[in-house]
This record gives sequence, C-alpha cells and structure tokens, in this order.
Amino acid sequence: KAGVTQTPRYLIKTRGQQVTLSCSPISGHRSVSWYQQTPGQGLQFLFEYFSETQRNKGNFPGRFSGRQFSNSRSEMNVSTLELGDSALYLCASSLRTSGGAGDTQYFGPGTRLTVL
Amino acid sequence: QKEVEQDPGPLSVPEGAIVSLNCTYSNSAFQYFMWYRQYSRKGPELLMYTYSSGNKEDGRFTAQVDKSSKYISLFIRDSQPSDSATYLCAMSEKKSSGDKLTFGTGTRLAVRP
Repeated sequence: KAGVTQTPRYLIKTRGQQVTLSCSPISGHRSVSWYQQTPGQGLQFLFEYFSETQRNKGNFPGRFSGRQFSNSRSEMNVSTLELGDSALYLCASSLRTSGGAGDTQYFGPGTRLTVL
Repeated sequence: QKEVEQDPGPLSVPEGAIVSLNCTYSNSAFQYFMWYRQYSRKGPELLMYTYSSGNKEDGRFTAQVDKSSKYISLFIRDSQPSDSATYLCAMSEKKSSGDKLTFGTGTRLAVRP
C-alpha cells in the first residue's frame, strides 16, 4: 500500500506571495492532518480534515487554510507569506473509524517551504 | 511553558548501549502516547503507541507511561547506528475528539559504531 504523498517536496517563495501544498493520504484513510515543523518550535498542529470538514484547528493565523476533497486528498494554503513561515509542512493521514481504533497517524515526507 | 517538554540532546552513545529517552507533560487530559522516529529529510515514523499508564514492548523498544508523574519514556536496547535519528514524543487527549497530536521538540540521537 502506498504511503502518504506530498507535493511539491521543495518550494521557494518570496514574502507576500501565497502557496498551495498538496497531500494524498493512504488509500482508505479519511482523515488528513497538517503540521508545521520548525527547529525552534518543533511540530505544531495546524488543522485536521475529515469527510471534507475541518474538525480541529491549531493556533495559527487565518493566513493558513486548508480543504479536503471528496477523495480525501487535501490542500493547505498559506497567503501573504512571511519569513517565519519557512518550515517543513507535514501531512498525516489516519483511518478515523467511528470505533476509535486505527487512529494512528502516518506522516508523509513533507514539503520544505523557504520564504525569501 | 510548553505542554510537552523533551530534552533536545544531542545524545551520543556507543553501539550496543541502552538508550533512555524521556518526555514530561503538563496536560492531565492526555491519554494516548506515541513515539515517532524521524530520519533527516523524512517524515516522522510511528514506533510505539501506548494508551494510559503501563509498559509496552516491541523488539528492542520499550515504552513506559507514568500518568501519575506525567512522564513517558522510550528505551532502546542494543542500540544500532541505524537508530541514529530524532525521536519525538507525541500525545493526544482522546481519539474521538480528533487527531490533534501535541509533540515534544524531539531528541537527536547518534549511535557511534
């Protein structure tokens, strides 16, 4: 079974631009979560999508947004980029069965965003 | 103060040593505890998953959770150079409320041949 895939793997943008990152979950997984990883703050939760609805949100400004499509693929968007947005953006997928089992999160390789 | 505290290291040990990695946390609502391993330029990979207090063993890895002390540990026996990576502890409150994981900042481990 293929793992979580993220595109692109590397991205360079300038301040003020916007960026869209894509995540394809493991087949059959319905939940997608996004995390930002920086050397100073570590991994921080951005948001989670399940069945095309945002279920959970972290403490990030409104410039960070996301969506999920009917095939469970997800995108996140960052508008008006700032230097501090340079980070590794990780996507994780999980089954999210109603019984609670199988909620282990499997991470993709990440998209490394550099803002100049 | 962060919800989850983890010594960033780096931790350098000789091959074959027993490695002890630890995290402390402040949120008593955490019920699920995980250890992830992250190699350079890769995403985190789940190593161990534990519910509530107790021990769990998987091969050379043992995870311990002490909820009364808000302290979790990962032990690696017979450490190998291939274990050199960053180890991240992660926690969540309960499965039905969503998949938000709160991570420690990670401990970088180097196992010397």
